[in-house]
Amino acid sequence: GQQVMQIPQYQHVQEGEDFTTYCNSSTTLSNIQWYKQRPGGHPVFLIQLVKSGEVKKQKRLTFQFGEAKKNSSLHITATQTTDVGTYFCAENQAGTALIFGKGTTLSVSS
Amino acid sequence: DGGITQSPKYLFRKEGQNVTLSCEQNLNHDAMYWYRQDPGQGLRLIYYSQIVNDFQKGDIAEGYSVSREKKESFPLTVTSAQKNPTAFYLCASSIGGRVEAFFGQGTRLTVV
Repeated sequence: GQQVMQIPQYQHVQEGEDFTTYCNSSTTLSNIQWYKQRPGGHPVFLIQLVKSGEVKKQKRLTFQFGEAKKNSSLHITATQTTDVGTYFCAENQAGTALIFGKGTTLSVSS
Repeated sequence: DGGITQSPKYLFRKEGQNVTLSCEQNLNHDAMYWYRQDPGQGLRLIYYSQIVNDFQKGDIAEGYSVSREKKESFPLTVTSAQKNPTAFYLCASSIGGRVEAFFGQGTRLTVV
């Protein structure tokens, strides 16, 4: 069943505002991956976090993995209309497959 | 051009008919996966295969079947036993575990 919970489910921002989505688990995560799905498209890999407390940046995107490895976040600084889409976190469980959260759908108005 | 291909993009079937969705990859990946996506539900795992001739059920395998006779192919059959088959189906592949997955363009199945 579902093991990673994502909040919020939807978020609307004005262009230029920041955006954050959170991924939480009741159990320790072995790793966390983030994907972006544009409207009408398919999920595309963004990043993987493995280490406790890890922080990685990709231009305006900042990804964090919690110290206890039970939560993760994706923060977008100064959103643009190109950031529109659904952002998923997922855990790649050893020996099985990626288990996805339900995603956060971001809409941006200019 | 390497990638993962799903066909067709749109598929319509009558209720009670079985339908097979194609998924082919030329990335030489060992692992392949099938997910179902419904609005507000995220991606739910149907079946996965980590090696040829072996596959495992995911969270929502009932009403679906798969085969993995070749490394590059992982077809999904939606049977008449699947109560709500209308959905967006995504196939993915990866080198192995704990690495990024590559997704196909998806097949949108509508059963009427």
